[in-house]
Amino acid sequence: AQTVTQSQPEMSVQEAETVTLSCTYDTSESDYYLFWYKQPPSRQMILVIRQEAYKQQNATENRFSVNFQKAAKSFSLKISDSQLGDAAMYFCAYRSYKAAGNKLTFGGGTRVLVKP
Amino acid sequence: EPEVTQTPSHQVTQMGQEVILRCVPISNHLYFYWYRQILGQKVEFLVSFYNNEISEKSEIFDDQFSVERPDGSNFTLKIRSTKLEDSAMYFCASSMTAGRTEAFFGQGTRLTVV
Repeated sequence: AQTVTQSQPEMSVQEAETVTLSCTYDTSESDYYLFWYKQPPSRQMILVIRQEAYKQQNATENRFSVNFQKAAKSFSLKISDSQLGDAAMYFCAYRSYKAAGNKLTFGGGTRVLVKP
Repeated sequence: EPEVTQTPSHQVTQMGQEVILRCVPISNHLYFYWYRQILGQKVEFLVSFYNNEISEKSEIFDDQFSVERPDGSNFTLKIRSTKLEDSAMYFCASSMTAGRTEAFFGQGTRLTVV
């Protein structure tokens, strides 16, 4: 079974600075998807960014980018120019390419605090 | 922008009672899911549903749980006899295909069992 680990329970960043969140995963599969979801205090899960394992190029979405290291099974999220609205829980998630159920396996989350 | 809608936003129920959590997935999506998040813990997969049947379920999804798509728009999660430990945030999600498309989540239903 796949597992996803986020080793940082909480990260603090100054507004306008950069913060990097770590995520590692364990899988025997070669094809899969990785995601970062944001969960603000409202607790809704919002997709931040997605990476397909077969793509070597790291995904970017505006101020959010990832560093995908397939051999190391590492998938970190960088938030640049941090804004107060970025304060939230961030969850890394894995999805198998083949699994019939298409389920997401989540890490334990990292809380991001943004200081003005 | 289309979104997944869940009702109610908060449900309080007595232990042993049955509850039904409701979801309206995005209209052209074909895959539906329920996830659970106990306060302070990670989001856990419960069940996925496709073509009017369960395609995968976790060990959490035991006989007290059931899912149904009673019409063309709603997707429900029923908990037959609630326990205190069922208190959690329940998220419904949907995706268009099983491929590269991501799952979109609803805003969640907070279930409190007293």
